[in-house]
Amino acid sequence: QSVLTQPPSASGTPGQRVTISCSGSSSNIGSNTVSWYQQFPGTAPKLLIYSNNQRPSGVPDRFSGSKSGTSAALAISGLQSEDEADYYCASWDDSLHGWVFGGGTKLTVL
Amino acid sequence: QVHLVQSGGEVKEAGASVKVSCKASGYTFTSNGITWVRQAPGQGLEWMGWISPSNGNANYAQKFQGRVTMTTDKSTGIAYMELRSLRSDDTAVYYCARHKDRTWSWDYWGQGTLVTVSS
Repeated sequence: QSVLTQPPSASGTPGQRVTISCSGSSSNIGSNTVSWYQQFPGTAPKLLIYSNNQRPSGVPDRFSGSKSGTSAALAISGLQSEDEADYYCASWDDSLHGWVFGGGTKLTVL
Repeated sequence: QVHLVQSGGEVKEAGASVKVSCKASGYTFTSNGITWVRQAPGQGLEWMGWISPSNGNANYAQKFQGRVTMTTDKSTGIAYMELRSLRSDDTAVYYCARHKDRTWSWDYWGQGTLVTVSS
């Protein structure tokens, strides 16, 4: 059971906008920043969003992040077939004194 | 450019120990923390702990306390993660990742090391 809660799956058609949620508590998302990672099968995760809504250089602006209270969200606009991957959120937890992850969301592009 | 290159896959018997290495290059090794994350087959990511190469201080997830040791060698720019008393449910891909400057995130990752524990 993951500390951060994500839907196990999400889907959309090419060109659509999809949002993936990440729910936590006051000890993690409520008081610390959120980062998002994209992972393709058999490869290492890749940083997609840091500090809630910042994109590293090279990440398309189709990807955006937001945070409100104890929840965060990753939005992907103009969905493309190459966006089909697993997505994870992460945040520091003050009570556990460590990082926690969401269980991951498998995005399918129909 | 920044690279993190991990050691090769390992097969261990239950009860044994494994030590995975992560060689960093392309940046000042002591400037960024190193985190270790693992992923069991078909499962999500699990944070194991992190270490500061500048002073060697490590912080472990409670689940692994007493069973894991993270170290660094400043002279070679290598980080190590040793896990002892291996069990079958330790079978996973183990990743090292670099802490991104002044953020609570990881910007570069190793390629992963598969550790298989046989009972």
